Amino acid sequence: QQQVKQSPQSLIVQKGGISIINCAYENTAFDYFPWYQQFPGKGPALLIAIRPDVSEKKEGRFTISFNKSAKQFSLHIMDSQPGDSATYFCAASWGGDKIIFGKGTRLHILP
Amino acid sequence: NAGVTQTPKFQVLKTGQSMTLQCAQDMNHNSMYWYRQDPGMGLRLIYYSASEGTTDKGEVPNGYNVSRLNKREFSLRLESAAPSQTSVYFCASSVLRGGNYGYTFGSGTRLTVV
Repeated sequence: QQQVKQSPQSLIVQKGGISIINCAYENTAFDYFPWYQQFPGKGPALLIAIRPDVSEKKEGRFTISFNKSAKQFSLHIMDSQPGDSATYFCAASWGGDKIIFGKGTRLHILP
Repeated sequence: NAGVTQTPKFQVLKTGQSMTLQCAQDMNHNSMYWYRQDPGMGLRLIYYSASEGTTDKGEVPNGYNVSRLNKREFSLRLESAAPSQTSVYFCASSVLRGGNYGYTFGSGTRLTVV
């Protein structure tokens, strides 16, 4: 119930394409869903986040789509660039406390 | 620069040795966390501290101990290192800001136990 299931494990997208990463959860008490981006040799960094009362949030080329009834959320990267190549983690938390992370998606954008 | 500082960046231990991973933040955050990252396993919470003087177990606490020395510092100790503890360890701190829980991660400690 505390898990966040993330797919795919790895993803290759052509430059300019749309990258889509999906996550699912079971615990309906989760009230905060962030996405983190991690470059090799660095710690994860907060990319974008959403709360369950909103169905979509967009920041630049990054969009979170949230489906509360299906308990699923996804990250869309529009016009994907080689600089977007990184590992992406979806996550969830409740009550402002500890965050539970998905297992990560390694994204590679072909130049 | 403001942020989370972890030391050391790299460490090799022999099985049975002990060591302490240090973490300090200068953002006046209340909560601090230790995660380990393993290939295909994502980030798993070892211990966390919601405030100075309190600590709680996370998902994978066995083989580790922590100390919240003060508001700035949160250390992770391996009393008797095992090869299964070979991993990259991340410290993080957080604060509620504008409705978002801003987790700030350190750059990690890469630990190898031989």
